[in-house]
Amino acid sequence: EPEVTQTPSHQVTQMGQEVILRCVPISNHLYFYWYRQILGQKVEFLVSFYNNEISEKSEIFDDQFSVERPDGSNFTLKIRSTKLEDSAMYFCASRTRGEDTQYFGPGTRLTVL
Amino acid sequence: SQQGEEDPQALSIQEGENATMNCSYKTSINNLQWYRQNSGRGLVHLILIRSNEREKHSGRLRVTLDTSKKSSSLLITASRAADTASYFCATGPDSNYQLIWGAGTKLIIKP
Repeated sequence: EPEVTQTPSHQVTQMGQEVILRCVPISNHLYFYWYRQILGQKVEFLVSFYNNEISEKSEIFDDQFSVERPDGSNFTLKIRSTKLEDSAMYFCASRTRGEDTQYFGPGTRLTVL
Repeated sequence: SQQGEEDPQALSIQEGENATMNCSYKTSINNLQWYRQNSGRGLVHLILIRSNEREKHSGRLRVTLDTSKKSSSLLITASRAADTASYFCATGPDSNYQLIWGAGTKLIIKP
């Protein structure tokens, strides 16, 4: 069964460093999402992406964040200058046209020291 | 304000019993989805119910939706130890671009 994959599973970085989190959505999906979950808290929406552009973004998704679909398979989330409060689990999700279900990857745990 | 609040926050029952979790939301929705998360792991989609549906079944899961009360419930029948996890409801608003999540119910099934 096709699934969303994410790499790395765990990323440790120093405050101020740039990180890139990678996702490979399900191959025929057209809509892509990033969410994050700070330990013990709710899952929060960051951004949605369709047709090579951002569809919607939350207040969390400030100028430090960017997304890109560099090729036909990868979908990346970049944090330019990480802060301690960026430490969280980051989930990528995708869905296909005409279906509302979003399929999630296993997540990347980002730890900012 | 936050959409999607589950209750209870935690639920501990004996294996074999039924578990019921509730979710309330604030704004209009296109659909409501339930997900399971094992400790520190990914989000697994369980079931989706649309705003024009009242009840849906999938195996041991039964979901109800009452749009007049802006609430949903997830019933897991004949619980198993493997059902131990956190359960989240997530609402898809009319724009359907993002899911808005509740805080989750932590379910513990005692053997």
